[in-house]
Amino acid sequence: ELKVEQNPLFLSMQEGKNYTIYCNYSTTSDRLYWYRQDPGKSLESLFVLLSNGAVKQEGRLMASLDTKARLSTLHITAAVHDLSATYFCAVDRDQGAQKLVFGQGTRLTINP
Amino acid sequence: NAGVTQTPKFQVLKTGQSMTLQCAQDMNHEYMSWYRQDPGMGLRLIHYSVGAGITDQGEVPNGYNVSRSTTEDFPLRLLSAAPSQTSVYFCASSPWGGQPQHFGDGTRLSIL
Repeated sequence: ELKVEQNPLFLSMQEGKNYTIYCNYSTTSDRLYWYRQDPGKSLESLFVLLSNGAVKQEGRLMASLDTKARLSTLHITAAVHDLSATYFCAVDRDQGAQKLVFGQGTRLTINP
Repeated sequence: NAGVTQTPKFQVLKTGQSMTLQCAQDMNHEYMSWYRQDPGMGLRLIHYSVGAGITDQGEVPNGYNVSRSTTEDFPLRLLSAAPSQTSVYFCASSPWGGQPQHFGDGTRLSIL
């Protein structure tokens, strides 16, 4: 059974600081997704990582995937308040069938 | 440009009642999924479909039925509502595996 674990689950940080969210998963997969959710809202796609060593960057966010370690990271550079949200990673357990297993989410709060 | 449309947005049911949550997408996406989101548990896959006429179970299918008679529509039926089904339900679609899912705004369902 595929398990996806994120840490930390809660993160409070100051503007301008750097931090990393970790996503570990328990069985082989080379398809990993990152989503953002604002309170009371839907989910918004951030990144799709489809191979070992994949790295994607958008603004202050950078995601990477190490399929051998079964680990993805979401790195935040010089955080700003607008990045406050809950971030989810999700792993496809059936190689493209979109049978996604989500992590618990990391609630990120960025303080001025 | 509607994307994924879910109706209703809010619903209160009594235990034992049945109802259908509607989901429609106008992007001609083959893949569609239903998730439930409970506090502290991320999203869990209920049912999914890789095309019209094809459906399969996800992690938590018990108490729910789906059908996919057209590419556009993917309704979720609660057969006999139970308080444990109180949750926020999200429908999502994608063109194929390996592509990010587009999420609807969600249906907030309370069962008394």
